[in-house]
Amino acid sequence: AQSVTQLDSQVPVFEEAPVELRCNYSSSVSVYLFWYVQYPNQGLQLLLKYLSGSTLVESINGFEAEFNKSQTSFHLRKPSVHISDTAEYFCAVTRNTGGFKTIFGAGTRLFVKA
Amino acid sequence: DTAVSQTPKYLVTQMGNDKSIKCEQNLGHDTMYWYKQDSKKFLKIMFSYNNKELIINETVPNRFSPKSPDKAHLNLHINSLELGDSAVYFCASSQAHNEQYFGPGTRLTVT
Repeated sequence: AQSVTQLDSQVPVFEEAPVELRCNYSSSVSVYLFWYVQYPNQGLQLLLKYLSGSTLVESINGFEAEFNKSQTSFHLRKPSVHISDTAEYFCAVTRNTGGFKTIFGAGTRLFVKA
Repeated sequence: DTAVSQTPKYLVTQMGNDKSIKCEQNLGHDTMYWYKQDSKKFLKIMFSYNNKELIINETVPNRFSPKSPDKAHLNLHINSLELGDSAVYFCASSQAHNEQYFGPGTRLTVT
């Protein structure tokens, strides 16, 4: 069965510090990987994705994630966070099983402190 | 131009009532979804439609009935509302294995 584990439910960090939000998945077939961000009282929006090609993917606002097939991980990193990065972050995995099915992780609350 | 829209944004109602939430996407996507997000932010897939056909129907009480009149619309009707139905409901759409586009959510409060 497919599952997505976000290892930290909350990550408090000071402004301008680096951060890593961890995501591990289990799947016996090829997957497509996503990170979504949810700001308060809004819907989820795509942060970055891995579909194929380079295993290191980046977002326009400084986040990056690396697909590690051997460790079945897709951790999200940012070298220096801002107050405005405070949000809920969701890792998601899509696999093709005759149709595309997506599983979301439980989410990680990133709280950036001044 | 809003890609995925939902109405209403807020819904407050009493137990036992029947209510509907509407969703529309103008992205030309083939697949639409309904999710329930609880107070702990956990996101649970409820239904998925592909070209108006139901393809995912997770363990959801049969009081919840989705309807897709065309591939741009996916509505959710809920009968006999219960306190535990209080949550934020999100509609989303996607094309094949690509990312999902989410609506702004409908906050349902059952009193």
